[in-house]
Amino acid sequence: GESVGLHLPTLSVQEGDNSIINCAYSNSASDYFIWYKQESGKGPQFIIDIRSNMDKRQGQRVTVLLNKTVKHLSLQIAATQPGDSAVYFCAENQRSASGGSNYKLTFGKGTLLTVNP
Amino acid sequence: NAGVMQNPRHLVRRRGQEARLRCSPMKGHSHVYWYRQLPEEGLKFMVYLQKENIIDESGMPKERFSAEFPKEGPSILRIQQVVRGDSAAYFCASSPTYNEQFFGPGTRLTVL
Repeated sequence: GESVGLHLPTLSVQEGDNSIINCAYSNSASDYFIWYKQESGKGPQFIIDIRSNMDKRQGQRVTVLLNKTVKHLSLQIAATQPGDSAVYFCAENQRSASGGSNYKLTFGKGTLLTVNP
Repeated sequence: NAGVMQNPRHLVRRRGQEARLRCSPMKGHSHVYWYRQLPEEGLKFMVYLQKENIIDESGMPKERFSAEFPKEGPSILRIQQVVRGDSAAYFCASSPTYNEQFFGPGTRLTVL
């Protein structure tokens, strides 16, 4: 079946380096993608999102890239800090069964990012 | 502005008991979603509700699980006759209209 998945389960970087977390998706009908950060014992925290009509979107220290040709999504974190250590999930947004304007999210398995001081 | 609130944060039940998980959405949000997360897994969609209506319950197990979002009060996820396989973290999210969902801290259910 169609699903969202991640290439790398773990990523370890040095403080100050840039981090790149990758995600593959297989549902060509997905039109909205989100990256979430989840710290231990907490709920997912919204980081950045991107629509399928865009290739790139930038936030504060984060950039999301979308390659629809190969169905690939990446999250780039600049100057990674120890506080960035967490599990990062990509998620795709699907319309609800009733076709309404709200969507349910399909999450990938997650990548554990560890930042070494 | 308080975020999404969930209680209890931790819940321990014995097999066969009932579990009730509560979710209070952010102020002004009328859309609520429930997700389940197993250890080292991503979140799995369970159900999407608006006030007094279940919009999409395609992720809910057919038996023992039910959800409601009454006109007044929090949304409730109810699990009857819990089994060990129900042990997981259950997250609630809310949104004002569509797209961006704000998640609560979760309820960690342990079934003994």
